[in-house]
Amino acid sequence: GIQVEQSPPDLILQEGANSTLRCNFSDSVNNLQWFHQNPWGQLINLFYIPSGTKQNGRLSATTVATERYSLLYISSSQTTDSGVYFCAVERDSNYQLIWGAGTKLIIKP
Amino acid sequence: DAGVTQSPTHLIKTRGQQVTLRCSPKSGHDTVSWYQQALGQGPQFIFQYYEEEERQRGNFPDRFSGHQFPNYSSELNVNALLLGDSALYLCASSPWGQPQHFGDGTRLSIL
Repeated sequence: GIQVEQSPPDLILQEGANSTLRCNFSDSVNNLQWFHQNPWGQLINLFYIPSGTKQNGRLSATTVATERYSLLYISSSQTTDSGVYFCAVERDSNYQLIWGAGTKLIIKP
Repeated sequence: DAGVTQSPTHLIKTRGQQVTLRCSPKSGHDTVSWYQQALGQGPQFIFQYYEEEERQRGNFPDRFSGHQFPNYSSELNVNALLLGDSALYLCASSPWGQPQHFGDGTRLSIL
């Protein structure tokens, strides 16, 4: 089956820093989503981005489907950005999300 | 507009028992998916319901079963609980073929 790999697995930054999280996938996908899971376990949709670039405030994402990767950019990090960031892909048209192992981000004040 | 709601929020069971978790989808959403998230891992797909039928199923044993009601709400049932079933169970809803939105999950602990 399709493999989803995220890097780095862990990232510790000072408040105000910028970061780039990467998601590689092993086969073509219909869709790709980025999620943020906060320390309380709540899972929040960040982007639905099968291709191209999207921006939402301090966050932006780019997916290059032909090269099978996606990047999530976080600028001017805040402590509330801490948590685990997941990339999940959808293969073909079956709408089953296949998840990476996540990047655990800690923002220090 | 209420989002995806799950109940209960926390649950403690013992090995061999049975459990039922519940999910109410976001208004306008007719598709419900269930995921299991073990500690420190990404979610794993259990199954998906649409039009009251199981449409897809992940690699989970038959002890895991579900149901979708005419109002699109859904239940996840797990029989003969094992210690390894301890996890956060997430429900996601969407209009068919659209991005999924997640509830806050049910934390299930098996003693």
